Amino acid sequence: QVQLQESGPGLVKPSETLSLTCTVSAYSISSGYYWGWIRQPPGKGLEWIGSIHHSGSTFYNPSFKSRVTISVDTSRNQFSLKLSSVTAADTAVYYCAKDSGSDWFDPWGQGTLVTVSS
Amino acid sequence: QSVLTQPPSVSGAPGQRVTISCTGSSSNIGAGYDVHWYQQLPGTAPKLLIYGNRDRPSGVPDRFSASKSGTSASLVISGLQAEDEADYYCQSYDSSLSGLYVFGTGTKVTVL
Repeated sequence: QVQLQESGPGLVKPSETLSLTCTVSAYSISSGYYWGWIRQPPGKGLEWIGSIHHSGSTFYNPSFKSRVTISVDTSRNQFSLKLSSVTAADTAVYYCAKDSGSDWFDPWGQGTLVTVSS
Repeated sequence: QSVLTQPPSVSGAPGQRVTISCTGSSSNIGAGYDVHWYQQLPGTAPKLLIYGNRDRPSGVPDRFSASKSGTSASLVISGLQAEDEADYYCQSYDSSLSGLYVFGTGTKVTVL
């Protein structure tokens, strides 16, 4: 079955750019669906960041304004998240997930903790 | 910026029935958008529990059921078991602010 795995630095300095990659296995991103990023600050709830279609079409949570960029690399079967100008408030577990196309997310990656600190 | 409100916690003894509410508004649940539910066991990623208001993915026990009415939705766990102790989140689509996916505030289920 489809599996997703996040990877990237676990520590990012304030004002820098957070970069994460999600590698998809057992399914070709090129085959369809949207692919999304969701985050969860420690001890808090879930927040959708944005989603991307294999064609490159994206839509983002307006709360992140112009700070977020999601891209896809179909040759590597990966999609990526970049979040710029991070602050301590961006410290969270970041999850990637398959967006069903009917608004639900399944499955999810195991998540990766990113801490923003100097 | 959760726009779907859930009770912070619910509890019940093994075998009991518990209900988790998810209250939205006219721009999300009330607009007819589907509600989905996730279970997050301690230290793990969320797992899809219910999709499309009431459908269970393969492998989800039938003691989990859900419904939607007006601007709210509910998740029911019938015959509560120890392994059901987890956080539960509802999720829907919101047509305000140019459209986005929104999650509920989350509910911690404790098995007494």
